[in-house]
Amino acid sequence: DAGVIQSPRHEVTEMGQEVTLRCKPISGHNSLFWYRQTMMRGLELLIYFNNNVPIDDSGMPEDRFSAKMPNASFSTLKIQPSEPRDSAVYFCASSLGQMVIGPGNTIYFGEGSWLTVV
Amino acid sequence: GEDVEQSLFLSVREGDSSVINCTYTDSSSTYLYWYKQEPGAGLQLLTYIFSNMDMKQDQRLTVLLNKKDKHLSLRIADTQTGDSAIYFCAESIGAAGNKLTFGGGTRVLVKP
Repeated sequence: DAGVIQSPRHEVTEMGQEVTLRCKPISGHNSLFWYRQTMMRGLELLIYFNNNVPIDDSGMPEDRFSAKMPNASFSTLKIQPSEPRDSAVYFCASSLGQMVIGPGNTIYFGEGSWLTVV
Repeated sequence: GEDVEQSLFLSVREGDSSVINCTYTDSSSTYLYWYKQEPGAGLQLLTYIFSNMDMKQDQRLTVLLNKKDKHLSLRIADTQTGDSAIYFCAESIGAAGNKLTFGGGTRVLVKP
């Protein structure tokens, strides 16, 4: 049973470059989340989608960040241009759906994409 | 508003019990969760409790919820070295029940 799959696992890029992080949610899950984890700020929810539609993007730091979910099995988080302060672990997670509340709606996390911007 | 707070660090000897504490501010929380993050890995759900429960036990894990004080704790009995990790509590709220707010995480170090 494949979990949430993220790529790349690790990326080192130069400031100003475009970074694209990819995520494949668990099959059948209707909600997808992008989180960012840093030592200073902990886990922050950046954006979440339900049925491929962005529901809440209030956590997206600024216009340099964008996220898309063109279909139920794929999402991207793009940073353009990247800056050193974007260095973090970016987690994608998925769950069954917005209106299912409780343990059946457990959020499953991917292994994370470790981004370093130099 | 949503705010979940945890202590930063806990050190415990192997075989002892660990207690990790968490406080939250939103009284409309529906479910509260404990997640575990091992080094270099994502978060894994350990256990959860519905907001109308006081206690839940799952093998070595005991979750206690004091809704009046908005206090959640996770007790790990017979702590093992494999329990060394960061533990996050999280709350989900109302109709957006699948949107979780996480605490900052408690790093647990188990010493042999």
